Amino acid sequence: DIQLTQSPSSLSASVGDRVTITCRASLGIGSHLNWYKQEPGKAPKLLIYAASSLQSGVPSRFSGSGSGTDFTLTIHSLQPEDFATYYCQQSYNILWTFGQGTKLNI
Amino acid sequence: EVSLVESGGGLIQPGGSLTLACAASGSTVSSNTLSWVRQAPGKGLEWVSIIYSGGRTYYADSVRGRFTISRDGTKNMVYLHMSSLRGEDTSVYYCATVWGTLVRGETVEVFDNWGQGTLVTVSS
Repeated sequence: DIQLTQSPSSLSASVGDRVTITCRASLGIGSHLNWYKQEPGKAPKLLIYAASSLQSGVPSRFSGSGSGTDFTLTIHSLQPEDFATYYCQQSYNILWTFGQGTKLNI
Repeated sequence: EVSLVESGGGLIQPGGSLTLACAASGSTVSSNTLSWVRQAPGKGLEWVSIIYSGGRTYYADSVRGRFTISRDGTKNMVYLHMSSLRGEDTSVYYCATVWGTLVRGETVEVFDNWGQGTLVTVSS
């Protein structure tokens, strides 16, 4: 299986900050990397697909980059509703996997 | 937009069986790819199974041989039949549609719509 390692596991930030979350794959996955946001008690929500494409309706302060094994999710100018847990996910091969999650705290 | 509603969760004893259902509206399950993803209490997300529009099915190593995904086009439902259940199967189970998009010559697949989840607790 392809392992995805996110860092950091948790992150404290303030409204208006810029934060970056990284996701490293155990082998090259091209651009087959997606990012999701999950709020407590809710289903995940797609933010970024194919490493850098913004899902429709997602604010432009979210951006993604990377290819191969190293990927980043950046949130420019944090808003109160951005404090949640973020997951990366690979769909390179059929045994899809998620990163362990990054909890973004105030 | 597709709306998904899961049902069938509950308390089940180890070794028992349970079938989850996912009702889809706004799209037909037969022409879409659907997947199950689970989340143990306080833990991260784990992909479980997928059924493609063409009928191919795949499973995570942790459930292969114990879980079966299927669909009923007449009822517009997708199911996850779970057997030989273990404590580590305790999770919220989400149903999700899978969307494939062409990016730089390759199809990238994503979970684009999710249900609200149904809780399965395996305990004696």
